[in-house]
Parts: sequence; structure tokens; C-alpha cells
Amino acid sequence: ETGVTQTPRHLVMGMTNKKSLKCEQHLGHNAMYWYKQSAKKPLELMFVYSLEERVENNSVPSRFSPECPNSSHLFLHLHTLQPEDSALYLCASSQAGTGGYNEQFFGPGTRLTVL
Amino acid sequence: GQNIDQPTEMTATEGAIVQINCTYQTSGFNGLFWYQQHAGEAPTFLSYNVLDGLEEKGRFSSFLSRSKGYSYLLLKELQMKDSASYLCAVMDSNYQLIWGAGTKLIIKP
Repeated sequence: ETGVTQTPRHLVMGMTNKKSLKCEQHLGHNAMYWYKQSAKKPLELMFVYSLEERVENNSVPSRFSPECPNSSHLFLHLHTLQPEDSALYLCASSQAGTGGYNEQFFGPGTRLTVL
Repeated sequence: GQNIDQPTEMTATEGAIVQINCTYQTSGFNGLFWYQQHAGEAPTFLSYNVLDGLEEKGRFSSFLSRSKGYSYLLLKELQMKDSASYLCAVMDSNYQLIWGAGTKLIIKP
């Protein structure tokens, strides 16, 4: 248990569906992240929120839409996804600050399958 | 471009020692992390190196050479529970983590 929870743990959706992934951190951190993890590929940073403001987008397709209502919660809204979007989606949090050792704590991930 | 290289898969025997290498080319350097990830679980932090040398933490040690762009994770007295993927990540000049693809370590009895 890392202090970061994600729901659902597994999700199967069609290309026309709309769904949302939820992440919650109980560590008092001020930064939250969404990553995509595909088999045998490096973790891909999708979005970063620091102090509830988005600071990094990394050219993610608009079919992925993040939302960070407060420093403890992060959502990833999904719509009209493609089969190649099937992957493990990981949420992480950290206590961000310049010049800092920025250890990230990860949630268990949501295994997403797009049919 | 930025790049992190580590072997895709390694196999070792229970009770033995294994060294997992990581080489990197990044724009700036603010430290190198090693994470462990068991199948179906969250990555968990193992170590952080920002200065050259060896950091020891129980059965696990991590080494860094900044001039060579090189690190390794050393696992001693291997146990079956050490079977996992080991992820190397470098924090660049923007304090963003650049990740390797991970090394899957298989431990055999």
C-alpha cells in the first residue's frame, strides 16, 4: 500500500464509450501524474499537475482529458479511444519543489482494454 | 534526444548475486532512481543516487558514475520474491523523470 489508490483496477470499453479513471492520494503531496505503461516500453508521462494546475501535457491526444479538482484527486476522462490505447494507466504523486529529490509514489494502475 | 537503456530480461539463481545495468543520455541530470515493479502492481521506490559512488541498502545496492552516464543495481542473496521488473529513471534538468523500459528479472530455484 503506497498511499495512492486507483479505480477501477480493470476496465474494458468500446471505442465509442466514455469512461473515467480515478486516482486519490493520501500522502499530502502537491503534485500528481498520469502515466501510460505499455508492454516492454518506457513509462510515458501523460500529464502533470502541480498545485492543481496542469504543467505538462506531452502532446497527448485530446481523447484523453485530465481533471484535478484538488490536490488529493486526479481523474482521466476517456472518450472515443482506439485499440492502441490499451495499456496500464498509472497515477503517481510526489512532493514537488525545485532542486528537490522528487520520489514519486505510484498507485496500482488501471488495466485498460479498448475493443 | 533523451534515452535510457537497460537489458530487457535477465535470469539468475536463488541465493546468487545479479547486477542490472542502466546507461543514460539526458538533458541535464538531477539524480537517478531505481524502482521495483511486481507484475500487476505499482512501481515502488528502491534507491536514489545523485553523487558518484555506491549506496547500500540491505541486500540492494545502487551505483552511479555521472561521467560515464552509467548506473547499476546490485541484488545480493536473491530470493524468489525478487522476481520483478526493475525500472531505471533519470531526473532531467526540468526535474522530469525519463524512464527506461525496465528489466524483467527471473529468479530460478
